[in-house]
Amino acid sequence: QSALTQPPSVSGSPGQSVTISCTGTTSDVGGFDRVSWYQQPPGTAPKLLIYEVSYRPSGVPDRFSGSKTGNTASLTISGLQAEDEADYYCSSYTIISTVVFGGGTKLTVL
Amino acid sequence: QMQLQESGPGLVKPSGTLSLTCTVSGGSIRSSTYYWGWIRQPPGKGLEWVGGIYSTGATYYNPSLESRVTISIDTSKNQFSLKVNSVAAADTAVYYCARHARLLPDQWGQGTLVTVSS
Repeated sequence: QSALTQPPSVSGSPGQSVTISCTGTTSDVGGFDRVSWYQQPPGTAPKLLIYEVSYRPSGVPDRFSGSKTGNTASLTISGLQAEDEADYYCSSYTIISTVVFGGGTKLTVL
Repeated sequence: QMQLQESGPGLVKPSGTLSLTCTVSGGSIRSSTYYWGWIRQPPGKGLEWVGGIYSTGATYYNPSLESRVTISIDTSKNQFSLKVNSVAAADTAVYYCARHARLLPDQWGQGTLVTVSS
């Protein structure tokens, strides 16, 4: 299985919005509404931000939102804050009952 | 609130076997709502799903690792385990155990670094 495709880096100024894309195939992202997003600050374990494409777990600010069109899922962070600076990963369930991750995107808050 | 904690040796010799255990607290590993898995992250690199196991014992593995990996579960101890055979330097990584809900990881352990070196 091939990793999902994410941009290596994105950046934005405080208060702005950024969107991170996650592109797969019909065998993963496009075939199931089972896409999650994670935030990983340096030296820490990943934390779940979004599940099932667009749902937020309790405690995750509504500045974080998810969507999907075809084989591409997206994470949008609005009202950027300095504390949002971290690595972000998408994941998807696959047609062979496994999980595949994206390569990760480093978010820099300017 | 469930918690997961990895344990095992931090150093493994090349060609040897990497063995880790994940202890689940605050809930039962027998729950049909979840399944249990391992994810690894080489230093400075991205996440790689290793595999997962249901409380029934059914397993699913990353095809690229399947020939070397075994995941098992001990419901009496509320633990599940990972073995990776014939390790090499490329297997050096932080290994995370994770609960999976709705088929994807949702709660993670803190991770443990395993280094493959002589």
